[in-house]
Amino acid sequence: DGGITQSPKYLFRKEGQNVTLSCEQNLNHDAMYWYRQDPGQGLRLIYYSQIVNDFQKGDIAEGYSVSREKKESFPLTVTSAQKNPTAFYLCASSVKGRETQYFGPGTRLLVL
Amino acid sequence: GNSVTQMEGPVTLSEEAFLTINCTYTATGYPSLFWYVQYPGEGLQLLLKATKADDKGSNKGFEATYRKETTSFHLEKGSVQVSDSAVYFCALTFPYGQNFVFGPGTRLSVLP
Repeated sequence: DGGITQSPKYLFRKEGQNVTLSCEQNLNHDAMYWYRQDPGQGLRLIYYSQIVNDFQKGDIAEGYSVSREKKESFPLTVTSAQKNPTAFYLCASSVKGRETQYFGPGTRLLVL
Repeated sequence: GNSVTQMEGPVTLSEEAFLTINCTYTATGYPSLFWYVQYPGEGLQLLLKATKADDKGSNKGFEATYRKETTSFHLEKGSVQVSDSAVYFCALTFPYGQNFVFGPGTRLSVLP
């Protein structure tokens, strides 16, 4: 089955700790995206990548970092500089040049 | 800039009622328009889309027509079921564009 997987489903972060959220896709999509969703709100773009070894900041990149070393993988690190990290994080992918984005099941990040 | 506005929720209906969720957009040019659905604790799933004026997207009994003259893409279903309870997001993007613009989402609750 082709799709997007995100892990873990729930993640707990301690003060001052960096945590990494995993996103993997086997759809052979070139483009990948990270969104943040706060309760009762829409999605805000954190980072996106159109091709391996290249990525761009979205609307709310501060306190986050990404890498794109493989086409299939686009991990997101929530750094200690992100002061309000509690949210639901969604990864998506799309065929380059096509509009439709396909989403993973999400990771809920909570702060201890 | 580009933006999407959706009707305020939550929307509460009885089973078999008619559903309309309003969506209007502001954009420079001619975007593609989408409806995504999010079930509790899950990622977003593409529900339907339309890529040009007067196109009608449809799926699972849901329909929406791209109205350029009113810059709208209202979601309708003739007879809702309890299983349709979810949050519905209207969104736009442009061909070869990187990013989606999402509305804030409308929560639908269908009561038996």
